Amino acid sequence: NAGVTQTPKFQVLKTGQSMTLQCAQDMNHEYMSWYRQDPGMGLRLIHYSVGAGITDQGEVPNGYNVSRSTTEDFPLRLLSAAPSQTSVYFCASSSKGQATYEQYFGPGTRLTVT
Amino acid sequence: ELKVEQNPLFLSMQEGKNYTIYCNYSTTSDRLYWYRQDPGKSLESLFVLLSNGAVKQEGRLMASLDTKARLSTLHITAAVHDLSATYFCAPGSGNTGKLIFGQGTTLQVKP
Repeated sequence: NAGVTQTPKFQVLKTGQSMTLQCAQDMNHEYMSWYRQDPGMGLRLIHYSVGAGITDQGEVPNGYNVSRSTTEDFPLRLLSAAPSQTSVYFCASSSKGQATYEQYFGPGTRLTVT
Repeated sequence: ELKVEQNPLFLSMQEGKNYTIYCNYSTTSDRLYWYRQDPGKSLESLFVLLSNGAVKQEGRLMASLDTKARLSTLHITAAVHDLSATYFCAPGSGNTGKLIFGQGTTLQVKP
């Protein structure tokens, strides 16, 4: 099992550009989430999904779109990047069938918007 | 809305000393997670606490949960340099798998 994978690892964008951060998991987990981590602020939930075709907003959803067409993939789209979106982005997944709902995190994508 | 507060946010301690990190949360949650993060790395799961009074120990770390007080603690015994990292608590929110994180406690253990 590769677990949770994220691409790219690093990305530099200019203000106004768009891009998609990729996240995939091979554990057949129903739940997937996107978090952003800024210095001194812990991780904040952007969007999450409880299964294919179902997504919902988290704490800081503005400026981001998600979709979940398959169980394995949960891409995060930035439609028009802003400097305030400079952050480290983590994707996580967990199993509905596991009583702990323990989340497994990907390695992260470090995004800089200039 | 679930809010989480950790304290202290920064902790510098000598090797061999004991200390406790506190995690308070604002609304009912039936489970709580502790994670460790090393600089530039992802999050590593330390403990999953599922019930009131739950206590788990791994090496020099012990975590406990009091759901009535909405409080979890992470106790460090006889700290060593290898424990230097940032520690996050995160209560579970609903049965969707999503977590709400505290700000993190950066632990620096000095020789």
